[in-house]
This record gives sequence, structure tokens and C-alpha cells, in this order.
Amino acid sequence: AQSVTQPDIHITVSEGASLELRCNYSYGATPYLFWYVQSPGQGLQLLLKYFSGDTLVQGIKGFEAEFKRSQSSFNLRKPSVHWSDAAEYFCAVGAPGGGADGLTFGKGTHLIIQP
Amino acid sequence: GAVVSQHPSRVICKSGTSVKIECRSLDFQATTMFWYRQFPKQSLMLMATSNEGSKATYEQGVEKDKFLINHASLTLSTLTVTSAHPEDSSFYICSAQTGIGNEQFFGPGTRLTVL
Repeated sequence: AQSVTQPDIHITVSEGASLELRCNYSYGATPYLFWYVQSPGQGLQLLLKYFSGDTLVQGIKGFEAEFKRSQSSFNLRKPSVHWSDAAEYFCAVGAPGGGADGLTFGKGTHLIIQP
Repeated sequence: GAVVSQHPSRVICKSGTSVKIECRSLDFQATTMFWYRQFPKQSLMLMATSNEGSKATYEQGVEKDKFLINHASLTLSTLTVTSAHPEDSSFYICSAQTGIGNEQFFGPGTRLTVL
């Protein structure tokens, strides 16, 4: 069965500092990969996704993620965080090739921004 | 574009009553809709997949007689929590997909509290 691991439950970063959120997955093949952000009481917003091709994916709000097949990882990065980036971040996988399957989510990483 | 709405955003009900949650794709037709459940400070767990005009497919451990899903049109899916109990209190989130392999768009969620 597929699974997603986000090893960091909480991360605290100073405003302006760089950020990396870790995500590892277990899947029989290379899945579709996603990063979502959720603000308190809000729905999910897609930051970026990887289906195939270039392993460095650019997303919205200055985020990027790199797919590393050898490490089964899809870590999210941002060079300089802003106070508005404080939120819950979820990594998710979906069936390769698409398909009418739901996504499998990691447990999330809570990002705290220090002034 | 690609907006998904949910109604209501919050609902409080007494134990034993039934609650209906609506999920609508506002500007696109959704061949498939998904229902997720999120406990406080937890990840999203897929409950079921619904395709327009057919019976929903439930994930293992989800009671289909308790969580009734209807996907009557390409823009509307409903989740009815029957005979709700306090342990059903949760954040319910739907998503809609335009077709196989396409991105899922998430609704803002519905907070259900059962007293």
C-alpha cells in the first residue's frame, strides 16, 4: 500500500530564512506527487505537483520541490519565507498516470514563522 | 476557475440526527468527486470516491450505510452522515476532478460537531 511520510511535525523558521520540508513516499511505481498548504480552518491549496519530466518543479508563492527517485523523496523548498507562509503543509501522492483515485496524504508539517 | 464550494461550512447537531453536506464544482464539470475526513491536527483520510450516476466506492473501514454519498450530477455530490454520534465530529473535505489524470480541486471543508 502507498504511504507518505513527513518526518517533521513542526518546523520553526525565522522570517527571511530558507525552508525545506521533507517528504518521503512508498509506492510501487513513481506516483504523481503534490504539495498542498492549509491555513487554519481553510481548505487545501495546491502549491505544486510533479507528474513527469523535469524533477525540479516550480510552484506558486515562490515554492519549489525536487523529485528524487533514488531517495523516494519530494522535498519542498523556499529560499526566503514570509510570515504569511505560516500554515500546515501536506505532501500527497496519487496513482501514476492519473486515474480516479483519491490522494494519500502525509500527516502534515506545521510551519511556524518567527519574526 | 476550478472552484469547489461546500455547504454548510459549519454544522452542529444533536447525537442521533442526520446531517447532509453538499459539495459543488462551480465552474467545471466533475466526473469524480472525493470525500476526505480530517481529525484535529491530523492528515486527510480518503473516505470514498464518487462518480456521477454510479455508486460510491468506499475505503476500507468506512461504513457505507453511515456515510451516504450521492453524486446526482456532474456538479454536485452530497455526503450524509446518518445517526451522527460525537465520534463523527470532524472536518469533512471534498475534492473534485475533471477527468482521469487531472488535478483535484478541494473545497473549503465542513466542520461537523455532534453534541
